[in-house]
Formats: sequence, C-alpha cells, structure tokens
Amino acid sequence: GDSVTQMEGPVTLSEEAFLTINCTYTATGYPSLFWYVQYPGEGLQLLLKATKADDKGSNKGFEATYRKETTSFHLEKGSVQVSDSAVYFCALSADQGAQKLVFGQGTRLTINP
Amino acid sequence: DTAVSQTPKYLVTQMGNDKSIKCEQNLGHDTMYWYKQDSKKFLKIMFSYNNKELIINETVPNRFSPKSPDKAHLNLHINSLELGDSAVYFCASSQAGGAINEQFFGPGTRLTVL
Repeated sequence: GDSVTQMEGPVTLSEEAFLTINCTYTATGYPSLFWYVQYPGEGLQLLLKATKADDKGSNKGFEATYRKETTSFHLEKGSVQVSDSAVYFCALSADQGAQKLVFGQGTRLTINP
Repeated sequence: DTAVSQTPKYLVTQMGNDKSIKCEQNLGHDTMYWYKQDSKKFLKIMFSYNNKELIINETVPNRFSPKSPDKAHLNLHINSLELGDSAVYFCASSQAGGAINEQFFGPGTRLTVL
C-alpha cells in the first residue's frame, strides 16, 4: 500500500540555521504530496503542496520539490525562526475519489534562540 | 469564524463507557474525515464521508460508528471505550471532485480512557 517515510526526529536547530526534513514515499499512480504543520496544542495546517512531478510548493519561506525519480519531497527552509518550532508531517494522496491522506510519522522541530 | 470545529476539546472517561465527539464545518465542503493521532503523533485515517455517504472505512473496530446527519456535520460515537482508544481525534473536511484538494483540520479532541 501507499506509505510515507520521514526523517526521524526530534530535530533541534539554532535560529537562522538551514533546515531540511527528508520525506520519501511509496505509491501507485501519481500522488499529490503535502507538508502539514502542527503547532503545539493545535490541529494540522497545510504548509505547502505539489500535485505533479517537478512542481515546487512554497509558503512562509519553506519549499519542497516533487521528485518523481527519487520519490522524494524534502522540506527546506533557508533560515529558521523560533516560531517554526512545531511537528511537521509529510503526506500523500493518491486517490482522487476518496482523497485519503497517508501521513508520515511526523518530525518534531525545535528552534532555539 | 472557526472553519472546522470539534467538541469537546478534552474528554476523560472510564473504560467501558460510550462517548461521542462532534464535528462541524462551515466551509461548504462535501467531504469530511476522522483521523486518529496516537501518543507517538502518528496520524491515520479512520473514516471519510462524502455528502453523508461513507466512502472510507479503514479497518476500524465496529465500536466506532460515524454519523453524518448532513454534509456539514460528522460525529464519531465510540462504544465500550478501551484504554487503547486514548488518542487525539481530528476531524477534517475538503471539497471533493476534480483535483486532490486541501483538507482543513479541526483543533482535535484529546480522549483519555482511564
């Protein structure tokens, strides 16, 4: 079945450091790919998405490129802030009918001032 | 204006009890979902409804019964609660049809079974 594997956390960085959170997937067909973010005590919010190969999703300084050849969708940010501390989830949706999201295990990110 | 709301936010109950969690969305979406997030933060879909019709049921014990009175509401009823049901339950909604669309999540309901 479809699956998503994310970089094991937790990840701790200093403010203004470069961030990469790795995400790879296994899916039949051509899934859409997403990064969701969960701030402490809140629900999930969509951070960015890409719906076809070579698409780049971007939002709030975060970017991720849909790489079909490596089945990857790594999340990057050039300079992180304390306010970026959260849990980040990579997800895919491969079924336009049911639109079921399959999530990775989440990566907890802590940014220290 | 809350887009997807859930009640209650916290629910503490004894094993064997029956409880319900309510979800409402005011986005005009026609598809709603229930997800379960375990203690390790792993998120897994449980159910999906489209226009009040069940379209996803992911091998969830039949103690869990979703009910959709209309397309803006999807409630989750749980019978005979067990310790392993302790988790955070998230409701979500999206607009169906065409391209794969963003799902909007509620704030979650933390269920603790003692």
